[in-house]
Amino acid sequence: QKEVEQDPGPLSVPEGAIVSLNCTYSNSAFQYFMWYRQYSRKGPELLMYTYSSGNKEDGRFTAQVDKSSKYISLFIRDSQPSDSATYLCAMRQETSGSRLTFGEGTQLTVNP
Amino acid sequence: NAGVMQNPRHLVRRRGQEARLRCSPMKGHSHVYWYRQLPEEGLKFMVYLQKENIIDESGMPKERFSAEFPKEGPSILRIQQVVRGDSAAYFCASSPIDRGVTEAFFGQGTRLTVV
Repeated sequence: QKEVEQDPGPLSVPEGAIVSLNCTYSNSAFQYFMWYRQYSRKGPELLMYTYSSGNKEDGRFTAQVDKSSKYISLFIRDSQPSDSATYLCAMRQETSGSRLTFGEGTQLTVNP
Repeated sequence: NAGVMQNPRHLVRRRGQEARLRCSPMKGHSHVYWYRQLPEEGLKFMVYLQKENIIDESGMPKERFSAEFPKEGPSILRIQQVVRGDSAAYFCASSPIDRGVTEAFFGQGTRLTVV
């Protein structure tokens, strides 16, 4: 079983829709939770990260962490065609300073 | 401030040849991380280096793979005697001394194809 599970999609939505992206994980030691955006043939770009449980908002993006359910989400409001990319969740333990564990990524297309 | 620079962007090697992947971290960054992305898989940690030191190589295959980050110059990921299964995108990330991998910046990657 993978430590981090993420539905690869693809996910296709109309412009303006609210997008919900999710990951589940099995390792209760994970404390840092990150979301990356990766455009085709490019490197991952950090969108936001959350420490432990709770919500974090940045513009149109909201990240949620529910440690009791081992479930994290990224919401994108008012989605734009420029949001079309692969979204990767990643996590790390408090003590593993160098090792991020990534999900497989969800491919999102926002249609004009 | 240029981002993390990786070169080459694309590399084709025949089976049995050596592949050298280079990573120049962002200015002021002294920590470098290498990750590999296999087709249809997420990124997998390989190695974490600081200048002249390998800090964590627990994700590196035991044979054929090595990494260095010399005092001067880029970090190098070296793959000897490449096989078809080494075909992947290899990403480097860097972070400054007071930040960890959580806030690291990734490069554009080197896409290695073994034929």
